[in-house]
Amino acid sequence: AQSVAQPEDQVNVAEGNPLTVKCTYSVSGNPYLFWYVQYPNRGLQFLLKYITGDNLVKGSYGFEAEFNKSQTSFHLKKPSALVSDSALYFCAVRDDNTDKLIFGTGTRLQVFP
Amino acid sequence: SAVISQKPSRDICQRGTSLTIQCQVDSQVTMMFWYRQQPGQSLTLIATANQGSEATYESGFVIDKFPISRPNLTFSTLTVSNMSPEDSSIYLCSVRTGGGYEQYFGPGTRLTVT
Repeated sequence: AQSVAQPEDQVNVAEGNPLTVKCTYSVSGNPYLFWYVQYPNRGLQFLLKYITGDNLVKGSYGFEAEFNKSQTSFHLKKPSALVSDSALYFCAVRDDNTDKLIFGTGTRLQVFP
Repeated sequence: SAVISQKPSRDICQRGTSLTIQCQVDSQVTMMFWYRQQPGQSLTLIATANQGSEATYESGFVIDKFPISRPNLTFSTLTVSNMSPEDSSIYLCSVRTGGGYEQYFGPGTRLTVT
């Protein structure tokens, strides 16, 4: 079965430091992978996706994600964290049997000044 | 992308009553989805609503409890019927545009059932 895992419930990082939010996946075919961010009392905002091509994908707000096929990972990264990046982050994978998105459990990112 | 609005943004309802949530999109889309997000949890897909056909419900969700309408390509409603406190959640609609498989979400409706 297709699945996605976010092993960390919370990630804490100091402002200005690099951040990584981890995601691993399991799919039977080619992976279609997505990252979303949810700010308090808001809906989900699409950040970036990987379907094919370069393993390093650039997205909104300075975020990028690295697709690693051998490690079945799609970690979200940012070189320099901002306090305003504090939010809930969801990784998702397309289920190629049902054509639906499967969401991870979410990782809360806390950036401290 | 797409701009999606939802009404109401939040509501407090008595148990046993029903609430209809509206989702409006600024462009025509074929595929619309309704999700539930319980406090501190991930998203759970309730149903897929394609225009011109009956909504397709996920396991654990039934039409009598969550009737959905999709009268045209820019609008949908989700009704939460005969509510109980366990229905307290954020309800989100989303759409998929183009062939990129990403979905775009509305701001959500925060429902509290007392």
